[in-house]
Amino acid sequence: GAVVSQHPSWVICKSGTSVKIECRSLDFQATTMFWYRQFPKQSLMLMATSNEGSKATYEQGVEKDKFLINHASLTLSTLTVTSAHPEDSSFYICSAKGGGNTIYFGEGSWLTVV
Amino acid sequence: DAKTTQPPSMDCAEGRAANLPCNHSTISGNEYVYWYRQIHSQGPQYIIHGLKNNETNEMASLIITEDRKSSTLILPHATLRDTAVYYCIVITKDAGNMLTFGGGTRLMVKP
Repeated sequence: GAVVSQHPSWVICKSGTSVKIECRSLDFQATTMFWYRQFPKQSLMLMATSNEGSKATYEQGVEKDKFLINHASLTLSTLTVTSAHPEDSSFYICSAKGGGNTIYFGEGSWLTVV
Repeated sequence: DAKTTQPPSMDCAEGRAANLPCNHSTISGNEYVYWYRQIHSQGPQYIIHGLKNNETNEMASLIITEDRKSSTLILPHATLRDTAVYYCIVITKDAGNMLTFGGGTRLMVKP
């Protein structure tokens, strides 16, 4: 079946630095991918919609200059957390629609900012 | 998309059937019921989906009431590895890929 892969699974970075998280659709093309964030013991919250070849669409309250999204190909979307701060520490998850119109999620990426 | 209501938590004995309810009383005719689960520290995993007929796959069964206002996900023989948060989501198939997650049901399978 369709597989969505994220990298890295875990990352620790210093406050003020930038971190890039990749989301790949491994056996299908995805013109649209979605990025979610999840804090401990909370549900997933949609951050933005990543559109191949065009600008991402951000949800209300999500800073586009802080969370840079690039969808340069039909199989890859990247989320860059710029000037990361401890409050950005979270579980970041991407999703994409695979065969049969089923939506698949990546394994998630844990970000810890120290 | 229609809103869903699920109990926040449930317990189930290992080996027994786990029946997870979901209320979606405002569902419209072209909206599907999708179920996902999230095991701790992992991304959500697709389980099953349906429109109006009952569905079954290798993971679970989905029972949708005739009026489609509620559904039940059934794990026929729950194992400890089925401990997770289960999300019931209602969405139209042509609405894109976005899923809106509610609180879900935290299922604890106990030995």
